[in-house]
Amino acid sequence: AQSVTQLDSQVPVFEEAPVELRCNYSSSVSVYLFWYVQYPNQGLQLLLKYLSGSTLVKGINGFEAEFNKSQTSFHLRKPSVHISDTAEYFCAVSGRPGTYKYIFGTGTRLKVLA
Amino acid sequence: GAVVSQHPSRVICKSGTSVKIECRSLDFQATTMFWYRQFPKQSLMLMATSNEGSKATYEQGVEKDKFLINHASLTLSTLTVTSAHPEDSSFYICSASGTLGETQYFGPGTRLLVL
Repeated sequence: AQSVTQLDSQVPVFEEAPVELRCNYSSSVSVYLFWYVQYPNQGLQLLLKYLSGSTLVKGINGFEAEFNKSQTSFHLRKPSVHISDTAEYFCAVSGRPGTYKYIFGTGTRLKVLA
Repeated sequence: GAVVSQHPSRVICKSGTSVKIECRSLDFQATTMFWYRQFPKQSLMLMATSNEGSKATYEQGVEKDKFLINHASLTLSTLTVTSAHPEDSSFYICSASGTLGETQYFGPGTRLLVL
């Protein structure tokens, strides 16, 4: 069975500081990994995804993530955050061709402070 | 590209009535659509998966007679909450994936309040 762990429920960070949101997964099969952002009362927006190839993935809004197979991690990073990055961030994993159902983490609330 | 819409964005209804939520893929053909439910400050809970022209596959614990899903075309899926009760109040989000299937694109969500 697959699972996703986002250890940090909340991450406060000052504006223009770097941030890392952690995501660890467990799976017995090859996985696809995703990061989504959710602003209040909205749906989820795809930030970036790892399907195959380069383990360093660049996404929108200056975010990037690195797939680390040995550590089963897919941490999200941004070198300098803005107030507008305040949102909920979800990590998701899928790995079953044919259904592609996601397993979501519990989410990390990023709060950027002025 | 890959835009998914939902309608309505917000609905208030009386207990015992039925509510239909539409999910449309605007610029791609959605082979598979997913319906999620999200409680405040929680993650998304998958309710069901639907493929165009097939019956939906419901997750364990989700009542298929209460949450009717229809995926009649490659761009439209509907979720009908039948005989809604206050405990059905929630944020419902749909997603759609195209031919390749591995990436889901999410709608903006529908806030349902049952009085």
